[in-house]
Amino acid sequence: DGGITQSPKYLFRKEGQNVTLSCEQNLNHDAMYWYRQDPGQGLRLIYYSQIVNDFQKGDIAEGYSVSREKKESFPLTVTSAQKNPTAFYLCASSPRGLGRDEQYFGPGTRLTVT
Amino acid sequence: DAKTTQPNSMESNEEEPVHLPCNHSTISGTDYIHWYRQLPSQGPEYVIHGLTSNVNNRMASLAIAEDRKSSTLILHRATLRDAAVYYCILNAGGTSYGKLTFGQGTILTVHP
Repeated sequence: DGGITQSPKYLFRKEGQNVTLSCEQNLNHDAMYWYRQDPGQGLRLIYYSQIVNDFQKGDIAEGYSVSREKKESFPLTVTSAQKNPTAFYLCASSPRGLGRDEQYFGPGTRLTVT
Repeated sequence: DAKTTQPNSMESNEEEPVHLPCNHSTISGTDYIHWYRQLPSQGPEYVIHGLTSNVNNRMASLAIAEDRKSSTLILHRATLRDAAVYYCILNAGGTSYGKLTFGQGTILTVHP
């Protein structure tokens, strides 16, 4: 089955630790995205990538980092610099990253930092 | 980014049609109108999108006003599985790289 996988589903970390969230897609999509969702809120864009080895900051990139070394993979690292890292993190992809393309979302990773 | 305005919540009965409105008075000529829906603790699911003309797919229909300042998502026969938060989003063409800006959305409750 084609789709987007995120792992793990739940992640717990101590404050001050960096943590990396996995996102893999086998849809052969060029563009990939990371969003963050807080309780009762809509999604906010963290980073996006339209092509391998290139990525751009979204609206709330501070305290996060990404890499795009392979077309299928777009891991997100939540660093200790992120002041409020506890959230639901969603990865998405789209065929070409154009305005007319739909985005396909993964199941999400719920990160809790204490 | 152009913004959208949706009602906070709507209710419907099962097997009845549902019309979810969205206002986007500052829409630009290259903005596509997208609709996504999200169940609790799940990733959003694409529903439908369009530019100027009305659109139909297996999930829903999208009616776009002639001036494009508003649109309506139509679920022809609501089921309990359609209960979700529905987001109306403007996805800019050009160099926006398909960025989606999510608002608060409309919480749709479907009664049996």
